This record gives sequence, C-alpha cells and structure tokens, in this order.
Amino acid sequence: DQQVKQNSPSLSVQEGRISILNCDYTNSMFDYFLWYKKYPAEGPTFLISISSIKDKNEDGRFTVFLNKSAKHLSLHIVPSQPGDSAVYFCAASLGYSNSGYALNFGKGTSLLVTP
Amino acid sequence: AAGVIQSPRHLIKEKRETATLKCYPIPRHDTVYWYQQGPGQDPQFLISFYEKMQSDKGSIPDRFSAQQFSDYHSELNMSSLELGDSALYFCASSGYRDRARGAFFGQGTRLTVV
Repeated sequence: DQQVKQNSPSLSVQEGRISILNCDYTNSMFDYFLWYKKYPAEGPTFLISISSIKDKNEDGRFTVFLNKSAKHLSLHIVPSQPGDSAVYFCAASLGYSNSGYALNFGKGTSLLVTP
Repeated sequence: AAGVIQSPRHLIKEKRETATLKCYPIPRHDTVYWYQQGPGQDPQFLISFYEKMQSDKGSIPDRFSAQQFSDYHSELNMSSLELGDSALYFCASSGYRDRARGAFFGQGTRLTVV
C-alpha cells in the first residue's frame, strides 16, 4: 500500500523556468516530509525537508510547500538548471518512533531540464 | 566529509546462493537503515538498527537477516536468492534526533541474481 504518491513519473521544464514536483500522502501520522534527489548509479541525496508544523520551507532555489488538509506537498525549483535533471523522491516519516524514523518513499518523478 | 560506504558495489549471484552486503555508516550516526529498490520502483524499507539493536522492520523477507556490529557497521545477509531479489540495495545512516535531514544514503549495492 503506497502511502506516499508521486503521480507524475516525469516532467520536462525549460532552463530558467519553474519546476513543480507534486506529492500526495495518505497517512496523517506523517510529521516530517523530505525531498531526495537521485542520479543514476548513486544513492538518494537529501535536498530539503519540512516539518508538519510548517507550511513552507525555503533553501536557495528550492522551496517546499505543505498543505496538511489536502495531504499534499510540492517542491518548487526556481530557476531550473540543467544540472537539476534527476529523479526526485518525496519521502515521509512517522511522528512516533522509539527506535528510528524509516522513510516511506514515493515512486519518484524524473525531471528533465532542457537548455 | 565521510559518507556511508557500501560494499561491494556490484554482486552477481546464482539462484539459491547466499549474499552478504556490508554497510559502514557515517561516524557517530547511531541508526542504520536498509532499503531495496527494484527496477523502476521506489526504495522500500527493509530493516533498521538503533545502537546495534534491531529497531524497525519493513518488508524484509524471512530469507534475509541483518545485524549491526559493535563498530556500528551493518551486514545484510540474503539466503536462497531468487531472481526477484535482483535490485539496488541501499544502506543509510542518521543521527537519531536529526530528523530534518532524514538519512544519508550510500551509493548502493547492485545485486543481480541469475
């Protein structure tokens, strides 16, 4: 049962424009949401996160928005650069754990930024 | 900065054989996770360890086992390998209270079962 969903398997954006990657989740107990970037033959790399007590977090060109009522988050990349071309995974972890915080991943969105 | 080290990077095994994957977490990280990523799939959580004790269990088959040693490195043991076990296996580590950064992933071990 996929608790984190990324419904767009791919996205193509022109360099300099905004990239918007979307993510939906079903488990209301998730309280931390993260975006990872993954290049082929490499492990996922942490990009940005947001706590469920916030609705926006910004880090340079990357902004994550969280809409708890809609159980939806999005990652905005502005401006998009060719080096941003990668697979982006949305992930979430549960608010309760006495032993660690395993990540639930979406299936990923492949972003292609064209010059 | 030191990252999560996994070995080997690539492994080819035959059906019904056994494989052992190793993971060396970032120093001072107290939690280790194992994930399996099949072709075109998202990483699936298998198992985690906190301070050398198994802490959480995901979709790990009974044929697989894992442990974390006194030096904090972890090993994933896979027996009676099946073709469907072919996948990328990631190890990740984190500081227990550092939730904002999730976990740091290694480069993965690509297991091919033939």
